[in-house]
Amino acid sequence: DTEVTQTPKHLVMGMTNKKSLKCEQHMGHRAMYWYKQKAKKPPELMFVYSYEKLSINESVPSRFSPECPNSSLLNLHLHALQPEDSALYLCASSLQGANYGYTFGSGTRLTVV
Amino acid sequence: GQQLNQSPQSMFIQEGEDVSMNCTSSSIFNTWLWYKQDPGEGPVLLIALYKAGELTSNGRLTAQFGITRKDSFLNISASIPSDVGIYFCAGQFLVGDDKIIFGKGTRLHILP
Repeated sequence: DTEVTQTPKHLVMGMTNKKSLKCEQHMGHRAMYWYKQKAKKPPELMFVYSYEKLSINESVPSRFSPECPNSSLLNLHLHALQPEDSALYLCASSLQGANYGYTFGSGTRLTVV
Repeated sequence: GQQLNQSPQSMFIQEGEDVSMNCTSSSIFNTWLWYKQDPGEGPVLLIALYKAGELTSNGRLTAQFGITRKDSFLNISASIPSDVGIYFCAGQFLVGDDKIIFGKGTRLHILP
C-alpha cells in the first residue's frame, strides 16, 4: 500500500457545526502532516506529528484540532469555522528523518457556509 | 523565514514544445523535490534530488540540484496534454523536523 487516503473527499459545513477530517496510511511512515491549500496557492503547513506526538503547530487557530490516535491515522477536528477557512485540506506522510519527500493524499475540499 | 522563488508563474506553450522552470532559495537545502498537482488532487512527487550537482531524469522530465544547493530546475521535453497542471518545487531540510518549504508553483497550459 503506497497511498495516503483522506475522507471525506468533499465537505460542506455550517459555522456552528463540528466535523472531522480523516487521514490513513499503511506505509509505516512515522511522520504525518496537515496542510491547507487555497486556490492558486502552494500548500501551507498546519501541523506535524512525529511518532504520534504533535511536534509542530504553525500558529493554527484553536478551531482546528489535530489528533493522531495511532501511527496510521491522523484526524483534524473542526469546530466553529469561518468561511475563510474554506480550502483544500491535504494530509501527507513521510519516513521520519528521511529526506524522501512526502506522500500526499488527494485532499478534502472543505466549504464553510 | 525561508522562501522559495519559483519562476515562471505560468506558461502557455504548444504541444510538443520543451518546458523549463526553476526555483531559487535564500536557504541551503538537503533535498530538492518537484511535485505536480492536478485539479482537485494532492501533489504527486515527480523527482527527488539529494546531492548538489545531481541530474536526475524520470521519463521526459529532467531535474537538477544546483551546485550551491540553493537552486533547482525542472525540464519537460516534448510536452503532451496530460502535462497540464501546477508544478511545485520544494526544499527539504534533513536535520530537525524535515519540514518541506514549497515554491509558489508554475501553472502549465498547453494550447490546442
